[in-house]
Amino acid sequence: AQSVTQLGSHVSVSEGALVLLRCNYSSSVPPYLFWYVQYPNQGLQLLLKYTTGATLVKGINGFEAEFKKSETSFHLTKPSAHMSDAAEYFCAVTPSGNTPLVFGKGTRLSVIA
Amino acid sequence: GAGVSQSPSNKVTEKGKDVELRCDPISGHTALYWYRQRLGQGLEFLIYFQGNSAPDKSGLPSDRFSAERTGESVSTLTIQRTQQEDSAVYLCASSLDRVTGELFFGEGSRLTVL
Repeated sequence: AQSVTQLGSHVSVSEGALVLLRCNYSSSVPPYLFWYVQYPNQGLQLLLKYTTGATLVKGINGFEAEFKKSETSFHLTKPSAHMSDAAEYFCAVTPSGNTPLVFGKGTRLSVIA
Repeated sequence: GAGVSQSPSNKVTEKGKDVELRCDPISGHTALYWYRQRLGQGLEFLIYFQGNSAPDKSGLPSDRFSAERTGESVSTLTIQRTQQEDSAVYLCASSLDRVTGELFFGEGSRLTVL
């Protein structure tokens, strides 16, 4: 069975500082990995995804994530936080696209001016 | 609209009543998912429809929960004899390409059971 662990239910950073949101997964086969973002009063939207190929993937709004198989991790980063990045971020995994995504519990990102 | 539409956006009901939640997916999306999000929890998979195939009901928490979808159109999630622990946001998502797993989510239906 697949599972996702997001370390830290709430992360707070200063505007302009590095954003690092952690995600570790367990999967019996090479997984597909995703980050979704939920802005206040909006539905979840895809931020970025890894399926195959290059392990460093870039998403919208300057975010990127790196698939590290040896560490079973898919941490999300952004070099410089912006106030508009304040949202809930969800990491998700599936062993293939044919099975439903398994989501982590989410990390709420706050950005301090 | 172009996105996934869910109704009602908010529903308050009394314990023991039945509720129906509706999801209108993006046109042309063959896959439809229902998830539940309890306060402070991640998204919990409930049920998955893919075209005309038999749905994957493995996430439904009890026989009080059921869902239907006609073809590739609207889906309804029904909760019978609601309990307080059913209080949550119910999220619907649709997908064009199930292989890559990109889901498009609605804004959810917030259910409160008193």
